[in-house]
Amino acid sequence: EDKVVQSPLSLVVHEGDTVTLNCSYEVTNFRSLLWYKQEKKAPTFLFMLTSSGIEKKSGRLSSILDKKELFSILNITATQTGDSAIYLCAVEEGSNYQLIWGAGTKLIIKP
Amino acid sequence: EPEVTQTPSHQVTQMGQEVILRCVPISNHLYFYWYRQILGQKVEFLVSFYNNEISEKSEIFDDQFSVERPDGSNFTLKIRSTKLEDSAMYFCASSEIYLAGGGETQYFGPGTRLLVL
Repeated sequence: EDKVVQSPLSLVVHEGDTVTLNCSYEVTNFRSLLWYKQEKKAPTFLFMLTSSGIEKKSGRLSSILDKKELFSILNITATQTGDSAIYLCAVEEGSNYQLIWGAGTKLIIKP
Repeated sequence: EPEVTQTPSHQVTQMGQEVILRCVPISNHLYFYWYRQILGQKVEFLVSFYNNEISEKSEIFDDQFSVERPDGSNFTLKIRSTKLEDSAMYFCASSEIYLAGGGETQYFGPGTRLLVL
């Protein structure tokens, strides 16, 4: 059965800290892995990863995929209170563009 | 492990036809949501549902859309007269709780890919 597992489920850190969020997967027909940030309503897209070992970077956020060990990490450096959100990992599988979603990591940044 | 399921995985329909997208939320969850993602665009919130009524809806959710919980397990999204621009991936989600300011953990289904011709 396809599954995506995120860890930790929740994390509380202080502003300025660096955090690493984990996503492991077992998906038969892997196409890509996506990271989203969900604050209030719809998740907002962060990264799409398709190739192993290539880091994607956007400001203080970065992510990398390991297709051999079947996981990805999302790093956030110099965290700010605005980074508080639920971070969702999803794996796109098969030919229908369906997503297998993780349960998310709830990140709380304390001032 | 409990999961949100959606059927069908994909559906092709003619413009003007009605479609019903089905979702089975996690059994002890009380709050349900529909989102859509047009290919290459952002995920958009459509509607949230609790206690057999709509809690909140976006401007996208106009009169052609309706939601229903016809029995104790299914949560459906009906599009009455489909348009070409309704072609998208439709995601259902459910949560145990609801926080007015957001932040509740929502569990997402794999999506239904709708193509309107």
